Amino acid sequence: EDKVVQSPLSLVVHEGDTVTLNCSYEVTNFRSLLWYKQEKKAPTFLFMLTSSGIEKKSGRLSSILDKKELFSILNITATQTGDSAIYLCAVEVLTSGTYKYIFGTGTRLKVLA
Amino acid sequence: DGGITQSPKYLFRKEGQNVTLSCEQNLNHDAMYWYRQDPGQGLRLIYYSQIVNDFQKGDIAEGYSVSREKKESFPLTVTSAQKNPTAFYLCASSTRTGLYEQYFGPGTRLTVT
Repeated sequence: EDKVVQSPLSLVVHEGDTVTLNCSYEVTNFRSLLWYKQEKKAPTFLFMLTSSGIEKKSGRLSSILDKKELFSILNITATQTGDSAIYLCAVEVLTSGTYKYIFGTGTRLKVLA
Repeated sequence: DGGITQSPKYLFRKEGQNVTLSCEQNLNHDAMYWYRQDPGQGLRLIYYSQIVNDFQKGDIAEGYSVSREKKESFPLTVTSAQKNPTAFYLCASSTRTGLYEQYFGPGTRLTVT
């Protein structure tokens, strides 16, 4: 059974801290790994990773994929209160000729002023 | 403005009643998805559709039904057979399946009493 596991489940930090969120997966027919940020309702896209070892960066956020060890990390440096959200990891898989996304449970991040 | 709309934002129903959640997109996306989000469980796939008049069951399809008669629309019916229908429902779409991120609607919170 395909599985995506995120850790930690929740995290509380202070502004300015650096955080690392983890996503491990066990799936067949991996296509890509995606990170989303969910603040209130609709998740918004952050990164898509398909190749090992290539860091994707956007401002204070960065992410990397290790396809040998089957995990990805999302780093946030110099955290701000606006980073408080649920961070979702999803793995895209090919199954029975169609593509679908399997989500982890998410990591709830709270950044205190 | 392009995007995905879901209506209504909040929905209340009595147990035993079927209810239909609306999802419309004007992004010209081929693929559409329905997810359910419960506290601490991340997003779970209910149904997905890659093209008009075709759809596949996701991981938790029991008690739900969908149709895809138009490219823009993918309504979800929560039937009385769904044992725990109270949840937050998210609709998403993507350009095509495979290596494309999903765009999410704002969600519908369904409460059944």
